[in-house]
Amino acid sequence: KQEVTQIPAALSVPEGENLVLNCSFTDSAIYNLQWFRQDPGKGLTSLLLIQSSQREQTSGRLNASLDKSSGRSTLYIAASQPGDSATYLCAAISPPGGGSNYKLTFGKGTLLTVNP
Amino acid sequence: DAEITQSPRHKITETGRQVTLACHQTWNHNNMFWYRQDLGHGLRLIHYSYGVQDTNKGEVSDGYSVSRSNTEDLPLTLESAASSQTSVYFCASSRTVTGGTDTQYFGPGTRLTVL
Repeated sequence: KQEVTQIPAALSVPEGENLVLNCSFTDSAIYNLQWFRQDPGKGLTSLLLIQSSQREQTSGRLNASLDKSSGRSTLYIAASQPGDSATYLCAAISPPGGGSNYKLTFGKGTLLTVNP
Repeated sequence: DAEITQSPRHKITETGRQVTLACHQTWNHNNMFWYRQDLGHGLRLIHYSYGVQDTNKGEVSDGYSVSRSNTEDLPLTLESAASSQTSVYFCASSRTVTGGTDTQYFGPGTRLTVL
C-alpha cells in the first residue's frame, strides 16, 4: 500500500526566502507525482505534474523534482511571497493495472506561512 | 470555460438520513473521483469511475455509493448518514491520455455536518 509523507508539517518563513518542501513515498512504482496548493476553505489547485520519466518540472517560481529510486520529490519555491501562504500537498499516482488506475495517494500537506 | 462544480457547498443533516452530494464537470473527462478530507488523515479516496457505468471502491468506501450514468456527473450518496461522515468532500476529474492520465482538477468542496 502506497504511503506518502510530507515534511515539515508546517513552515514559517520571512518574505523573499527560498524554501523547499519535501515529499516521500513508499512504493517507487508510481506513474506520476503531482503537487497541489490548497487555500483555507477552498479546493485543490494543481501546481505541477511530473511524469515518471521526468526528473523535474518548472512553473514560474516553482520547481518540482522527482527521484523515483529514492522515493522522494521536492517542491522548491523561489523568492517566497505572502501570497504563497497555503497548504501544499503532494500526491503519488498509481500506475495502470490492478484496478487502481490513476489513483492518487495524498500526503497530509505542509502548511506554509510567508511573513511580510 | 470548462469547470467542475459541487452542490450543495454546505449541508447539515441528521444521523440516519440519506444524503446525495452532486458533482458535475464540463471538461468531458473520463475519470471522476470522490475524496474526503479530515484533519489528521488528509485526503482519502472514497469512490472513483473511469467512465459511464464504471464505478470502483476506494480506501474508505463503506457507507457510500456512486453511480455514473453519463460523462458529466458522479453523485455521491450516503445511504444512512453517520456522525463519522462529517467531513469536507471533494470531487475531482481527469482525462485519460495515451499511456497515462492527466492532471486531476478539483471542485470547491462540500462541507457536510451530520448531527
